[in-house]
Amino acid sequence: GAGVSQSPSNKVTEKGKDVELRCDPISGHTALYWYRQSLGQGLEFLIYFQGNSAPDKSGLPSDRFSAERTGGSVSTLTIQRTQQEDSAVYLCASSLGGSNTGELFFGEGSRLTVL
Amino acid sequence: AQSVAQPEDQVNVAEGNPLTVKCTYSVSGNPYLFWYVQYPNRGLQFLLKYITGDNLVKGSYGFEAEFNKSQTSFHLKKPSALVSDSALYFCAVRDRGDYKLSFGAGTTVTVRA
Repeated sequence: GAGVSQSPSNKVTEKGKDVELRCDPISGHTALYWYRQSLGQGLEFLIYFQGNSAPDKSGLPSDRFSAERTGGSVSTLTIQRTQQEDSAVYLCASSLGGSNTGELFFGEGSRLTVL
Repeated sequence: AQSVAQPEDQVNVAEGNPLTVKCTYSVSGNPYLFWYVQYPNRGLQFLLKYITGDNLVKGSYGFEAEFNKSQTSFHLKKPSALVSDSALYFCAVRDRGDYKLSFGAGTTVTVRA
């Protein structure tokens, strides 16, 4: 597609349920990032994928969070046993990779509300 | 370690006046610096970046930013603000040896007619 696509755009769930958020990066982009944006806060790095290399998971806040990237393209961020503090906008971004001078292209985000 | 500080939560200016959004950074090596803008309920849009060369970089929508190594700053500027520039602005830094992009907390810009 023309840009980074994220789904769902909005998700309301009950505490304790699992959620999956999907990201479809720009075609040809080998690098993929997940960030979390909480109300009134900046962007918090969660995880980074580059090609077939092992992902950098250093930003995941707890073991309830996991992400995978299949076939070097689509990525899924999974949050297990959601808590109210998980409520935030989850942003996915992709870039060409291969060089770290390039800018990130962001999707419009998935807004998660945990009741 | 790398970090970004945006000292102002909010900036308010009148339309037609100059706009400045401040950013300072900290990296262990040499930085790559970026500015992004976020309109309500939208994702982040890239405005401009400094990689190397001329310290003054020009970007989208008439914005520019000046890299100042001695002051570790990368302030965003626009000579004449528009009401449509009202948005949330993020500064970001990446160490040249890294891929992770670290963002500041953001500055809300309000331009009044």
